[in-house]
Amino acid sequence: GNSVTQMEGPVTLSEEAFLTINCTYTATGYPSLFWYVQYPGEGLQLLLKATKADDKGSNKGFEATYRKETTSFHLEKGSVQVSDSAVYFCALNSGNTGKLIFGQGTTLQVKP
Amino acid sequence: DAGVIQSPRHEVTEMGQEVTLRCKPISGHNSLFWYRQTMMRGLELLIYFNNNVPIDDSGMPEDRFSAKMPNASFSTLKIQPSEPRDSAVYFCASSLPLAGDEQYFGPGTRLTVT
Repeated sequence: GNSVTQMEGPVTLSEEAFLTINCTYTATGYPSLFWYVQYPGEGLQLLLKATKADDKGSNKGFEATYRKETTSFHLEKGSVQVSDSAVYFCALNSGNTGKLIFGQGTTLQVKP
Repeated sequence: DAGVIQSPRHEVTEMGQEVTLRCKPISGHNSLFWYRQTMMRGLELLIYFNNNVPIDDSGMPEDRFSAKMPNASFSTLKIQPSEPRDSAVYFCASSLPLAGDEQYFGPGTRLTVT
């Protein structure tokens, strides 16, 4: 079945460091891929998405490229800020019901 | 748009009591999802509806949990009787049922069962 695997957290970085959070997936067909972010005490909110191979999603300095050949959708940011501290979820949607398959989430802590 | 609305935001109840969580999806969205989030189990999909019809309830933990969607603008998740292990944050989300469309999450209901 469809699944998403994210790198284990927590990830701790200093401000202005480079961020990579790995995400790989298993799916039939051609899923859409998403990164969601959850700030403390809040619900999940969409960070970026890509709907086909080689698409790059970007938002707030974060980027992820849909790599079909490696079944990956790694999240990157060139210079993290303390305000980026949150839990990040990778997800895929391979059906037409809107159902998402989420990874387990990766906690990012950015220190000043 | 006000986004997905959930109520109450916090609920504290005693074991054995009935708990009802409420959700109003974004207008025009016809898929609705209920999730549960805990430290131990992470984010779990409990049930989802498409056009008010339950499509998949395989994530509902047991018969104490039930969910309804009587119309396109309202859904409830009920736990009866509640138990301490039901303590969690419950999220409702809605979306358009297309492969490229994202889900929009509500702020969640933090449930504590003592």
